[in-house]
Amino acid sequence: QKEVEQDPGPLSVPEGAIVSLNCTYSNSAFQYFMWYRQYSRKGPELLMYTYSSGNKEDGRFTAQVDKSSKYISLFIRDSQPSDSATYLCAMSAYSGGSNYKLTFGKGTLLTVNP
Amino acid sequence: KAGVTQTPRYLIKTRGQQVTLSCSPISGHRSVSWYQQTPGQGLQFLFEYFSETQRNKGNFPGRFSGRQFSNSRSEMNVSTLELGDSALYLCASSLPTSGRGNEQFFGPGTRLTVL
Repeated sequence: QKEVEQDPGPLSVPEGAIVSLNCTYSNSAFQYFMWYRQYSRKGPELLMYTYSSGNKEDGRFTAQVDKSSKYISLFIRDSQPSDSATYLCAMSAYSGGSNYKLTFGKGTLLTVNP
Repeated sequence: KAGVTQTPRYLIKTRGQQVTLSCSPISGHRSVSWYQQTPGQGLQFLFEYFSETQRNKGNFPGRFSGRQFSNSRSEMNVSTLELGDSALYLCASSLPTSGRGNEQFFGPGTRLTVL
């Protein structure tokens, strides 16, 4: 079983839809959870960062972490064509000293159609 | 504050050649990580450097190597290129003592094509 599982999609939605992107994980040592957005031919950019279980909201984006179920989600409200990108989940576990090991999901390709 | 920069952005090589990629981290960031990204495998961790020392290493053959300089700039080298090395190579920098679990900031990547 992979440490981080993410449905690769592709996911295609109409403009204005609510989008739900999800990742599951098996390593209970993961403490920090991130979502990255990657536009075509660009590097990933950090979108959301969370530490504890619960919800974190930033504009149209909400990150949700459920540590008991080992499940994280990213919700996008009122999706826009400019949200079309690959979304990668990432999570890190402490590995000694000031060292954290970061593990990425494979990414979900999202297309928002006008 | 300037972001992570990578050079070159695009590179075409032939099998058997070697290549060196360069990365300049965000000012003040001392940790640099390298990743290989392909459509089939996603982001795969190559190695991480901190204070000129390799701190972590992924499961790649010895043909992949790197180094970090005293100004935190890093280079990655791939020797004896194979067709399967065609990929986007991403560099990411982080503040390892930020208390934010190795939150990383990525550069735009170097697109390597091996013919």
